[in-house]
Amino acid sequence: AQRVTQPEKLLSVFKGAPVELKCNYSYSGSPELFWYVQYSRQRLQLLLRHISRESIKGFTADLNKGETSFHLKKPFAQEEDSAMYYCALMQGGSEKLVFGKGTKLTVNP
Amino acid sequence: NAGVMQNPRHLVRRRGQEARLRCSPMKGHSHVYWYRQLPEEGLKFMVYLQKENIIDESGMPKERFSAEFPKEGPSILRIQQVVRGDSAAYFCASSPFLTNTEAFFGQGTRLTVV
Repeated sequence: AQRVTQPEKLLSVFKGAPVELKCNYSYSGSPELFWYVQYSRQRLQLLLRHISRESIKGFTADLNKGETSFHLKKPFAQEEDSAMYYCALMQGGSEKLVFGKGTKLTVNP
Repeated sequence: NAGVMQNPRHLVRRRGQEARLRCSPMKGHSHVYWYRQLPEEGLKFMVYLQKENIIDESGMPKERFSAEFPKEGPSILRIQQVVRGDSAAYFCASSPFLTNTEAFFGQGTRLTVV
């Protein structure tokens, strides 16, 4: 069965510090992986997806098939990065997303 | 384009009543997805619909829950005879067409069953 694990429920860093939000997945095929972000009082929105290999708002995520991980990283966190972050997996041939439980990131001044 | 619109934003129902949640997809989007988020949990897929068709309802509870996406009007998620365990945030997402396209989410409907 497909599963997405985000081991940290809460993560707190200081402004300017590096941040890494962990995501591990379980899927036997070739998954497509996403990071979604939800800022306070706003809707869930796509941050990045692994196939595009983009850097969005300074965030990057690399798919590591050997470790079945898709960790989200940013070298210098900003206060406006404070939000809920969800890692999600889409299995091939399906349009449904499997979400992790989310990590609440707080960037302190 | 106003984005995916869900209403109501908050809905309170007594046990045994019916809850109707509405989702208007973005203009030009013909695919709608419903997800449920229980407290302290991630979003869980419920159902995927195209206009007038249910494509995948593998995440829908077998009883009391139904969904539709008519040719005209919003998609409706209906929960009959609600119970306390139905209290959750229900999110709708839409996308323009199949395969590798971004799904845009609504702000959700928070259902509270008292």
